[in-house]
Amino acid sequence: AQTVTQSQPEMSVQEAETVTLSCTYDTSENNYYLFWYKQPPSRQMILVIRQEAYKQQNATENRFSVNFQKAAKSFSLKISDSQLGDTAMYFCAFMRSLTGNTGKLIFGQGTTLQVKP
Amino acid sequence: EPEVTQTPSHQVTQMGQEVILRCVPISNHLYFYWYRQILGQKVEFLVSFYNNEISEKSEIFDDQFSVERPDGSNFTLKIRSTKLEDSAMYFCASKVNPEDRPFFGPGTRLTVL
Repeated sequence: AQTVTQSQPEMSVQEAETVTLSCTYDTSENNYYLFWYKQPPSRQMILVIRQEAYKQQNATENRFSVNFQKAAKSFSLKISDSQLGDTAMYFCAFMRSLTGNTGKLIFGQGTTLQVKP
Repeated sequence: EPEVTQTPSHQVTQMGQEVILRCVPISNHLYFYWYRQILGQKVEFLVSFYNNEISEKSEIFDDQFSVERPDGSNFTLKIRSTKLEDSAMYFCASKVNPEDRPFFGPGTRLTVL
C-alpha cells in the first residue's frame, strides 16, 4: 500500500523569505501523480501544484515549485517570497496511475506553515 | 470556473441520529469521492463512486455509511447512526476521469453531540 509522510508538523518563515516543506512517499509503482494542497483556516482544499511522475521536469506555479526526486521518493514544495496569505496547512498527496485505478488521493499528515510579518 | 458545492456547511446532530450530507459535483464529471478530515488530522479517503456504484471504499466506510447519486446531479453521503467519532469535516470531490486532479467542495463540518 502506498503511504505519504510529512515529517514537519509545523514550520514558520518570515515574510518574503523562502521555505521548503518536505514529503516522502512509498510506492512500488512507476507511474503516479503527486500533489500539494493548501488548506487555509477556512478548511477549503486548494490545489497548489501537481507533478506527473513520468515527467522529469519539476513543476512550478508562480512562487511555488517542487523538487521531485523519483529515486529517493521525495517531493518537496518550495515557496518563494512567502506572503502572509500563504499561512495554512499544506498536504502532500499521492495518486496512482494505473488502468482501473479509482483516482483516490492518499494524503500525508500535513504541515502547518505560519508566515510571520 | 465550475465548482463542487456542498450543503449544509455545518451540521449539528445528536449521537445515534441519521445525517445526509449533500454534494453537487461539477456537471460533466463522472468520478465522485468522499473524504473525511477529523480536526487537526490528515484527510482520509472514504469512498469512490463511478457508474452508479462504489468503485472503492476504505475500512472507515463501514455499514453505517452509504452513498447515492439519486438524480444525476446530487451525490450524497448518509451516516445511519452517528457516533461521536464521526465528528469531522467531510469533503466531496469529483473529476472527469481518474487521472485528473480532483475538484474539492468546500466541505461540510459535522458535529455529533
